[in-house]
Amino acid sequence: GDSVTQMEGPVTLSEEAFLTINCTYTATGYPSLFWYVQYPGEGLQLLLKATKADDKGSNKGFEATYRKETTSFHLEKGSVQVSDSAVYFCALSDITSGTYKYIFGTGTRLKVLA
Amino acid sequence: DAMVIQNPRYQVTQFGKPVTLSCSQTLNHNVMYWYQQKSSQAPKLLFHYYDKDFNNEADTPDNFQSRRPNTSFCFLDIRSPGLGDAAMYLCATSSFGRGETQYFGPGTRLLVL
Repeated sequence: GDSVTQMEGPVTLSEEAFLTINCTYTATGYPSLFWYVQYPGEGLQLLLKATKADDKGSNKGFEATYRKETTSFHLEKGSVQVSDSAVYFCALSDITSGTYKYIFGTGTRLKVLA
Repeated sequence: DAMVIQNPRYQVTQFGKPVTLSCSQTLNHNVMYWYQQKSSQAPKLLFHYYDKDFNNEADTPDNFQSRRPNTSFCFLDIRSPGLGDAAMYLCATSSFGRGETQYFGPGTRLLVL
């Protein structure tokens, strides 16, 4: 079945450091890819998404490019802030038995220090 | 603002005492999902509705039931909560289609005493 693998956390960075969180996927079809962010005690919020190969999703300085050849969707940000501290989930959406299911990675906790 | 609302935010119940969590949406989405999340792990899909069609995940315990009386509302019933059911329960909605975004509510944190 479909699956998402993302790098283990926690990731601890100093403010203004460069961030990369790796995400790879396996899918039988042609999935759409997402990054969601979860702040403490809250639900998940969409950060960015991409629906076809070579698409780049971007939002709030975060970027990720849909790489079909390497089945990857790595999240990057050039300069992190303390307010970026959260848990980040990579996810895919693919049609299964006539319905779209969303499969999440295990999450990567990011802690940014001032 | 259009949104997904979950009530209550925190729910305390006793071992074996039935509990109902509610979710409502103003997005008019035809798909609604219930997830269980423990300790910032990946959300685990329990079931989802496509309109009124109910889709149960194979590994969802029989202890968990759901109702969707109309497009806007969806309920999660836990018939006999055990200590292992303590978790965050997330409701999400989406339109049906490729690449559609899921919109999540803030979650209900369930504590079982």
